[in-house]
Amino acid sequence: QSALTQPPSASGSPGQSVTISCTGTSSDVGGYNYLSWFQQHPGKAPKLIIYEVYERPSGVPDRFSGSKSGNTASLTVSGLQAGDEADYYCSSYAGSNTVIFGGGTKLTVL
Amino acid sequence: QFQLVQSGAEVKKPGASVKVSCKASGYTFSNHGFIWVRQAPGQGLEWMGWISGYDGKTNYAQKFQDRLTMTTDTSTTTAYMELRRLTSDDTAVYYCAKAGRMTTVPNFDSWGQGALVTVSS
Repeated sequence: QSALTQPPSASGSPGQSVTISCTGTSSDVGGYNYLSWFQQHPGKAPKLIIYEVYERPSGVPDRFSGSKSGNTASLTVSGLQAGDEADYYCSSYAGSNTVIFGGGTKLTVL
Repeated sequence: QFQLVQSGAEVKKPGASVKVSCKASGYTFSNHGFIWVRQAPGQGLEWMGWISGYDGKTNYAQKFQDRLTMTTDTSTTTAYMELRRLTSDDTAVYYCAKAGRMTTVPNFDSWGQGALVTVSS
């Protein structure tokens, strides 16, 4: 089972918006609406920022939004801030009680 | 306040086993499950498997099927992950996270702090 495909890097200036993609197959991303996004700062544990494609946990700013079309999901970060600089991982349910992660995207705020 | 506290860093020799613990507090243990995820140095997240806190049912990623065991101890509200026949490729930070009681959809909203396991001769 290969990892979901994410771009290795993304960048944007403060205040701008950036979108990170996550591509899988009909057996994972395309087959279920159980798609999450995690933010990870260096040396820290991952933090859930989006679940079930577009839902935000309590406390996560609405600058973070998620969507999905077919086998590709997207995370959009609007109004970029310095603190958004981190690694971002998508994760999808893949059937038979298994989960798959994306390879991760390093977001740089210029 | 959900909290997961993991055991400390370990150094193991190739061929040995490691057992990492994950102490849960702040919620009803049997209402949730656990997943274990590892992250090799400079690499991404890798899902290893899931265990139910309700009935101990497990599901492991295929690549770990023959050398991974996940258990729970409801009396101490602790989950354990044991990985056997370690090689240098197993050097990683191992995380536990709160998961569903009966399924492992990736709504992992509480994570342990991670435990570094180093495999070196």
